[in-house]
Amino acid sequence: AQKVTQAQTEISVVEKEDVTLDCVYETRDTTYYLFWYKQPPSGELVFLIRRNSFDEQNEISGRYSWNFQKSTSSFNFTITASQVVDSAVYFCALSALRGAQKLVFGQGTRLTINP
Amino acid sequence: DAGVIQSPRHEVTEMGQEVTLRCKPISGHNSLFWYRQTMMRGLELLIYFNNNVPIDDSGMPEDRFSAKMPNASFSTLKIQPSEPRDSAVYFCASRLGGANYEQYFGPGTRLTVT
Repeated sequence: AQKVTQAQTEISVVEKEDVTLDCVYETRDTTYYLFWYKQPPSGELVFLIRRNSFDEQNEISGRYSWNFQKSTSSFNFTITASQVVDSAVYFCALSALRGAQKLVFGQGTRLTINP
Repeated sequence: DAGVIQSPRHEVTEMGQEVTLRCKPISGHNSLFWYRQTMMRGLELLIYFNNNVPIDDSGMPEDRFSAKMPNASFSTLKIQPSEPRDSAVYFCASRLGGANYEQYFGPGTRLTVT
């Protein structure tokens, strides 16, 4: 069975602070993909990143960075110099490469950036 | 390019009525997924199609729910009869296929059953 845990239900920080969203996953598959999605107040789900289980290199995209550590089954997401527009619910998700290729989502972390 | 299109965006109906949700995937994508989002259960997969064929419908709650994909550019999710516990946001997502595993979501349909 696959499971994604986002232990932080809500996080609130002041603008310009750095913030890290935690994601821990469980899977018996040896090959899988990990994802982060953003759900702003408007409600849509926006794809942010995909990471293959073979590739443990960290990735940086502007103010966003992702730290994938297979040894601890974690795929954490850091926003540097946060902005009010980053306020959203962020979901971590997991998908096997074989068989059922559905996304298994965590419960989400509600991030509030205060001005 | 147009993203995934869903209609209606909001639906309010009375218990017992039939509800049909519609989805147009991104052109060229060969997989389509229906998800439901509630406060209690979060985001959960209902059913998904590959090349218009239903592959996994294990998430469909019960026989009141049915989904079809008559062609590559259209899918429906039907609830008959609807119940208040079906109130949720229903998302449709599509995926290109091959090595492209990310799914792109539509704006969702917010369903309220009174």
